[in-house]
Amino acid sequence: EIVMTQSPVTLSVSPGERATLSCRASQSVSSNFAWYQHKPGQAPRLLIYGASTRATGVPARFSGSGSGTEFTLTISSLQSEDFAVYYCQQYNDWPLTFGGGTKVEIK
Amino acid sequence: EVQLLESGGGLVQPGGSLRLSCAASGFTFSKYAMNWVRQAPGKGLEWVSTIVSSGVGTYYADSVKGRFTISRDNSKNTVYLEMNSLRADDTAVFYCAREGEGSNIYFKNWGQGTLVTVSP
Repeated sequence: EIVMTQSPVTLSVSPGERATLSCRASQSVSSNFAWYQHKPGQAPRLLIYGASTRATGVPARFSGSGSGTEFTLTISSLQSEDFAVYYCQQYNDWPLTFGGGTKVEIK
Repeated sequence: EVQLLESGGGLVQPGGSLRLSCAASGFTFSKYAMNWVRQAPGKGLEWVSTIVSSGVGTYYADSVKGRFTISRDNSKNTVYLEMNSLRADDTAVFYCAREGEGSNIYFKNWGQGTLVTVSP
């Protein structure tokens, strides 16, 4: 099983600041990698797939990078609606696996 | 607009059974793999199961293998999750999710979820 490790667990950021979230895979997943945003009481939302392609309707302030085992989600200027939990996921091999999540909270 | 509507959740005793349904609309259902993903209270997202577009291929997390069965009815645009031998650690919100494009199993669209509580 490919283990996905996210860091940090919690990220405290002020509105307008930049946020950088990391995800590491225990073995290469190529670019078969996605990021999701999840707010309490809501369905998760796909942000990024293919490691760097923004999903439809996702603002340009969200960007994804990386390949192989190291991946980054950058939010260039945090807006109030961006405070949430973010998950990474690999779809290179079965079983599909998620990271443990990074909570982005207001500083 | 893609819509996924889960139903069938509820309270069940340990060892019991439950069947979840997910009614899909807004896309050609028979062309996409469908998935179940769950979130236990206070925990992260966990992939549970996938069924390919034709229904002939299924995949399961080790935690549910042998207890859960995914199926689909392409004539009804519905995917199911039959859950048997339920345990307390199966308590979770269960989400139905559609795969992405190009047969890539990321989760492009999600339902709102249905809560399953396993308790005496």
